[in-house]
Amino acid sequence: RKEVEQDPGPFNVPEGATVAFNCTYSNSASQSFFWYRQDCRKEPKLLMSVYSSGNEDGRFTAQLNRASQYISLLIRDSKLSDSATYLCVVHEQTGGFKTIFGAGTRLFVKA
Amino acid sequence: SQTIHQWPATLVQPVGSPLSLECTVEGTSNPNLYWYRQAAGRGLQLLFYSVGIGQISSEVPQNLSASRPQDRQFILSSKKLLLSDSGFYLCAWSPLAGSTDTQYFGPGTRLTVL
Repeated sequence: RKEVEQDPGPFNVPEGATVAFNCTYSNSASQSFFWYRQDCRKEPKLLMSVYSSGNEDGRFTAQLNRASQYISLLIRDSKLSDSATYLCVVHEQTGGFKTIFGAGTRLFVKA
Repeated sequence: SQTIHQWPATLVQPVGSPLSLECTVEGTSNPNLYWYRQAAGRGLQLLFYSVGIGQISSEVPQNLSASRPQDRQFILSSKKLLLSDSGFYLCAWSPLAGSTDTQYFGPGTRLTVL
């Protein structure tokens, strides 16, 4: 089983739609979680951290479910500019520290 | 504010040639530094990380090496490139050693080995 797994997609949605991505992780000792966004041929950029109680940033909502070991990202009212690859990132700290990136979920928002 | 630079932006090299990619960070001291590789359509693979000058940890055995000659400079090298070394090389920094702080990426170097 991969340490961090994401559905690669692509997710094709119309503008204004709501779309959700899930990401599962294998290490129950994982400590912190993030969503990054990566545009085509560009570097990943931090979208948001994921807190235990869930958190929201505008149209984006992130949730963490430790019992089931997954995190989610919900995008409401999708915009054309949301088209990108969304990377799930899990940070472990057991002995040393380790940051694991998922392979990403591709989103295409169409007019 | 902090900025991270990488160069060159793109590189085409023949198999067997040497490689040197450079990454520098401005606006911070004692950063953690990282080298990642992203193959086409794949996730990021951590290659090296460093918590201080001269301190390098390797995550994956390969024909690459890394050095940190100065606090805010991180260099990725190879003596002889392989075709499989092609990819998008990303340098990143984070502010605290071993912390849960997020990583910030440079613009990357796209390497093609022919």
